[in-house]
Parts: sequence; structure tokens; C-alpha cells
Amino acid sequence: AQSVSQHNHHVILSEAASLELGCNYSYGGTVNLFWYVQYPGQHLQLLLKYFSGDPLVKGIKGFEAEFIKSKFSFNLRKPSVQWSDTAEYFCAVTGLTGGGNKLTFGTGTQLKVEL
Amino acid sequence: KAGVTQTPRYLIKTRGQQVTLSCSPISGHRSVSWYQQTPGQGLQFLFEYFSETQRNKGNFPGRFSGRQFSNSRSEMNVSTLELGDSALYLCASSGVSGGGETQYFGPGTRLLVL
Repeated sequence: AQSVSQHNHHVILSEAASLELGCNYSYGGTVNLFWYVQYPGQHLQLLLKYFSGDPLVKGIKGFEAEFIKSKFSFNLRKPSVQWSDTAEYFCAVTGLTGGGNKLTFGTGTQLKVEL
Repeated sequence: KAGVTQTPRYLIKTRGQQVTLSCSPISGHRSVSWYQQTPGQGLQFLFEYFSETQRNKGNFPGRFSGRQFSNSRSEMNVSTLELGDSALYLCASSGVSGGGETQYFGPGTRLLVL
């Protein structure tokens, strides 16, 4: 079955450290890729998305992600994290076989940023 | 534009009862999807409706059903509740922007089954 993998389940960083969260998917066809964030007590919010074109996409709050088709990856990056980035981050994919508009999510990465 | 709204926000039910959750999409969005979020299983797709028709369905038992109205508002129903149905139920509406469909999520309905 097609799936999305997030290898880091828990990440702890100090403020100003750089962040990279991994995301891989198992399908080799055309996919659309998303990163969502869930801040404590808040609903899922869209960070960024990739449909086509430039594989380096920029999102809100200084986040960016790079689509590497040959590696089936869509890693999320931020050069300098802030305490307010503490949240759970989900990678998600549509376009997996038979899925249509269905979002298949990774298991999430809980990020804690310490002062 | 107002975001996706879901009602109620919290529900407590007992085993065997049924429940109906409601979702109002972003104005102009015609697609509504439902997801279940639990600590053990993560975020799982339930179904998607587009123009009052179910367009896609996840791997949930028939106790989970939904519908969409002509104004794009959607409801999902869970019959004969089980303890394992305790979860956060998320609704997302989608519209086309930037070359593809993007889903925007509501705050969810937290269901506790006792």
C-alpha cells in the first residue's frame, strides 16, 4: 500500500537551531505534497504545498521544503527555529493510486523548541 | 473568508448510541473531506464529498457514513458507537489554487465514547 513516512517522531531543538524534518512517500507516480502544522490546542494549518514547477517551495513563517523526485522525498526545513515553532508537523500526499483528493498523512513529528 | 467550521466542538456519548457531526466549508469550496485523528492511528481518511456525491471512501466500517447538502455543508454520522470511535474528527474543505486542490481544516469535533 502507498504510504508516507516521517522518520523523526520527536525532535528537540534549541532556539536558533536549524531544522530539517524528513518525509518520504512510496508511490512513483504524480503526487501533490503538503506540510501541515498543528500547534498545541489549535487546528491543522497549511504550511506549504507543492504541485509542480520549482521543487523548492516556500511557505509561511520561514519554512521551506524541497521535492526530490528521485528520492521520493519532501523534506521540511527552517534555518532558525523559534520557541513558537513548537508543534506537531505532518507531511501529507494526494495523488497516490486510487486516492484522488484523499490526503495520506505521515505519522507526524513532534517538535519541541527550548529557550 | 471565514474558515471551515465544525459543530459541535465536543461530544460525549455512550456505547451503542449514534452521533452526527456537522461541517460548513469555506465559501465557494465544493469538496468536503472527513478525517479521524487518534494517538494510535494518526490521521486517517474517512470519505470525501463533492457536489453532494461521495467521491472517495477510506477503509472504515459502514457504521461511518456521510452526506453533503446542496450548499456544500456536510454531515457525518457514526452509528452504534464503540469505545474505539473516541477521536478527533476533522473536516476539510478544498478549492483549487496555485495549480491544484488544497485542503483547509476545521478545528474538529472531539468525540468521547464511554
